[in-house]
Amino acid sequence: GENVEQHPSTLSVQEGDSAVIKCTYSDSASNYFPWYKQELGKRPQLIIDIRSNVGEKKDQRIAVTLNKTAKHFSLHITETQPEDSAVYFCAASIQRTGGFKTIFGAGTRLFVKA
Amino acid sequence: EAGVAQSPRYKIIEKRQSVAFWCNPISGHATLYWYQQILGQGPKLLIQFQNNGVVDDSQLPKDRFSAERLKGVDSTLKIQPAKLEDSAVYLCASSLAENQPQHFGDGTRLSIL
Repeated sequence: GENVEQHPSTLSVQEGDSAVIKCTYSDSASNYFPWYKQELGKRPQLIIDIRSNVGEKKDQRIAVTLNKTAKHFSLHITETQPEDSAVYFCAASIQRTGGFKTIFGAGTRLFVKA
Repeated sequence: EAGVAQSPRYKIIEKRQSVAFWCNPISGHATLYWYQQILGQGPKLLIQFQNNGVVDDSQLPKDRFSAERLKGVDSTLKIQPAKLEDSAVYLCASSLAENQPQHFGDGTRLSIL
């Protein structure tokens, strides 16, 4: 089916702590998993992505891990800062006739308290 | 590089009226997407173009929504007639190819009265 589940829906952390957001997908053929950050009233922006041939990718304070067997992937933000406060969306490629399309999770609203 | 351009930014119409949105993708991007984002939800794919051909429109309410991408560049999305539940932000995105990073426009916030 076409389903990407994202948890939690809301996450509140203290500045400097870590934040983890988890997503699960249902299509075993999925091979591309991007993460987008959307600040209030603004466009979604890609922050990191991972393909199915690797298990982990890191970019400064942000990392993504992928477990293909369990069909889940996670976003890890370390040393959180107030400017990390936003809604984060995971997404997964879903196989369609002749190619792939992207399905988004419902989003996680992250609050970083100073 | 110039980003994805969308217009208008805001639109208010009454139910049963029609409305059209325009999108200009990043130059050279073959894949263009239209998403509907209802408040508090993730973007929902309405239609995906590869150049000027439709590759997925399974979630597009075809009795009222239509979209085209003439010459494989700009695209328009139309709603006719609009319903109250169409109130949402309509996002356009483009990518070099499918399964590549998508670049989003600022969106059009549509309110139906």
